Amino acid sequence: DGGITQSPKYLFRKEGQNVTLSCEQNLNHDAMYWYRQDPGQGLRLIYYSQIVNDFQKGDIAEGYSVSREKKESFPLTVTSAQKNPTAFYLCASSGTGQGYGYTFGSGTRLTVV
Amino acid sequence: AQSVSQHNHHVILSEAASLELGCNYSYGGTVNLFWYVQYPGQHLQLLLKYFSGDPLVKGIKGFEAEFIKSKFSFNLRKPSVQWSDTAEYFCAVNNAGGTSYGKLTFGQGTILTVHP
Repeated sequence: DGGITQSPKYLFRKEGQNVTLSCEQNLNHDAMYWYRQDPGQGLRLIYYSQIVNDFQKGDIAEGYSVSREKKESFPLTVTSAQKNPTAFYLCASSGTGQGYGYTFGSGTRLTVV
Repeated sequence: AQSVSQHNHHVILSEAASLELGCNYSYGGTVNLFWYVQYPGQHLQLLLKYFSGDPLVKGIKGFEAEFIKSKFSFNLRKPSVQWSDTAEYFCAVNNAGGTSYGKLTFGQGTILTVHP
């Protein structure tokens, strides 16, 4: 079945450490996105990529980095510069033609301890 | 910049009650509109979407939404809710044209609790 796989489901990080969240899709979608979900704030866009080797900052990119070396993969690194990293992170993908909807992964819950 | 506002943070209903969740957006151009649902412990799923044509859109599980362009609104409705509709609902919008298409801007979410 086609879909998006995010791993791990739960992740614990010590303060000051970088951590990388994995996102893989087998939908042959061109575009991929990272969102952060916090209670009462909805989903906020961190980074997005519409083609391989290219990506753009979203609304809350500070303290995060991404890469897009393969069409299928869009890993997100939460760096030590992110002041409040504890959150639920969602990866999504879509086609880039008009009218495409998103497919979401099941998310990674990151907790800083 | 686009923004989306959902009127209610938490709505509590009894089974068989009617539902209307408000959504207003702020954007001057042509938009695509979406409602997503997140059931407890599950990932986001698309309920319905509007791209063009009939402003009354029907989605899965008996949900519908009406796009009123003059009011910048896209309210979600269901005539009779069930306990299984308990979830968080998100309204979202993206630019229907231009270089920023594809990026979805989400509202804050509305938690719906349905009591049996």
